[in-house]
Amino acid sequence: GENVEQHPSTLSVQEGDSAVIKCTYSDSASNYFPWYKQELGKGPQLIIDIRSNVGEKKDQRIAVTLNKTAKHFSLHITETQPEDSAVYFCAATFSGSARQLTFGSGTQLTVLP
Amino acid sequence: DAGVTQSPTHLIKTRGQHVTLRCSPISGHKSVSWYQQVLGQGPQFIFQYYEKEERGRGNFPDRFSARQFPNYSSELNVNALLLGDSALYLCASSLVGQGHEQYFGPGTRLTVT
Repeated sequence: GENVEQHPSTLSVQEGDSAVIKCTYSDSASNYFPWYKQELGKGPQLIIDIRSNVGEKKDQRIAVTLNKTAKHFSLHITETQPEDSAVYFCAATFSGSARQLTFGSGTQLTVLP
Repeated sequence: DAGVTQSPTHLIKTRGQHVTLRCSPISGHKSVSWYQQVLGQGPQFIFQYYEKEERGRGNFPDRFSARQFPNYSSELNVNALLLGDSALYLCASSLVGQGHEQYFGPGTRLTVT
């Protein structure tokens, strides 16, 4: 069935360094890939997304890349700050599924001051 | 501009009881989706409603049901609660039923004892 795998499960970086989180998906027909940030006690917040007709998208310190051939996509955060510390989830929308999102298992990012 | 709102914030129920959770989407959004997030995992899709009709259903038992009202708000009902139903229940709204960004509310934390 549909599956999204996310790595790593935990990631610690020094403030100012870059962080990269990777996800792979199983359905080659998937066409929408959002990333969410979830802080403790809050709902997931959409931070960036990419569609299958685009290879890369940037928004200030955040970028997402998509490799449709390899069926993987990645989140890149540059110049990390302590407030970037949170759980990050990737997700994918699979064809024929009424656009329900299938989520990865999450990455706990800790930015050390 | 108000985001997605959910009520109650948290509640405690006993096994076998019934619960109703409520969600109001972002103004102008006509689609509502429900997700269950167990501690330490990514959200799992339960239902999607668009224009008051069910457009998608995840792999959840018939004890779970939902509906959408003319004002696009939604209710999630869970009957015969089990301990395993303890989770954060998230509501997400989007402009249309397919292919658009989903914005999450803060969730309702349900504890079943």
